[in-house]
Amino acid sequence: KQEVTQIPAALSVPEGENLVLNCSFTDSAIYNLQWFRQDPGKGLTSLLLIQSSQREQTSGRLNASLDKSSGRSTLYIAASQPGDSATYLCAVDRAGGTSYGKLTFGQGTILTVHP
Amino acid sequence: EPEVTQTPSHQVTQMGQEVILRCVPISNHLYFYWYRQILGQKVEFLVSFYNNEISEKSEIFDDQFSVERPDGSNFTLKIRSTKLEDSAMYFCASIPGRGFDGTEAFFGQGTRLTVV
Repeated sequence: KQEVTQIPAALSVPEGENLVLNCSFTDSAIYNLQWFRQDPGKGLTSLLLIQSSQREQTSGRLNASLDKSSGRSTLYIAASQPGDSATYLCAVDRAGGTSYGKLTFGQGTILTVHP
Repeated sequence: EPEVTQTPSHQVTQMGQEVILRCVPISNHLYFYWYRQILGQKVEFLVSFYNNEISEKSEIFDDQFSVERPDGSNFTLKIRSTKLEDSAMYFCASIPGRGFDGTEAFFGQGTRLTVV
C-alpha cells in the first residue's frame, strides 16, 4: 500500500526566503506526482505535475523535482511571499491497473510566510 | 479556464438523512473521482468512475455511498443515511484521459458536509 509522507509538517519563514518542502513515497511504481496548494477551507489547486519519466518541472518561482528510485520529491519555492502561505500537498498516482488517476496524498506542509 | 464545479459549497444535514453532492467535471474529461478530507486529516480517495461504471472504490465507500453520472455533465455522490463521521470536505476531481499530457487531476472547490 502506497504511503506518502511530507516533511516538515509546518514551516514559518520570513518573506524573501527560499525554501524546500519534502515528500517521500513508499512505492516507486508511480505514474506521476502532483503538488497542490490548499488555502484554509478551500479546494485543491494544482501547482505542478511531474511525469514518472521526468526529473523536474518549473512554474514561475516553483520548481519540483522527482527521484522515483529513492521515492522522493521536493518542491522548491524561491523568494517566498506572504501570499504563498497555504498548505502544500503532495500526491502520487500509482501506475497501471484499474486505478488510473487514483491519488494518494501526504498530510501536507503548512507554510506561513510572514512579512 | 475550464474548472470543476461543485454544489453546494456547504451542506448541513441531520444524521440519518440522505444527501447528494453534485459535481460538474470539465467537459472533455473521461475519468472522475470523489475524495474526502476529514478536518485535520489527509485527503483520501473514495471512488473512481470511468465509462459509466465504478473502476475502484476504497474501504470507506460502503453500501451507504453511491455515485452516478445521470447525464453528460453531472457526477453525483449520494450518501443514503448520513452518520456523524461522514462530516468532511468532499472533493470531486476529473482527469482528461491517459497519455503524456492527460494525467493532471483537476479538483473542485469542495462541498463541506456537516452532519448534526
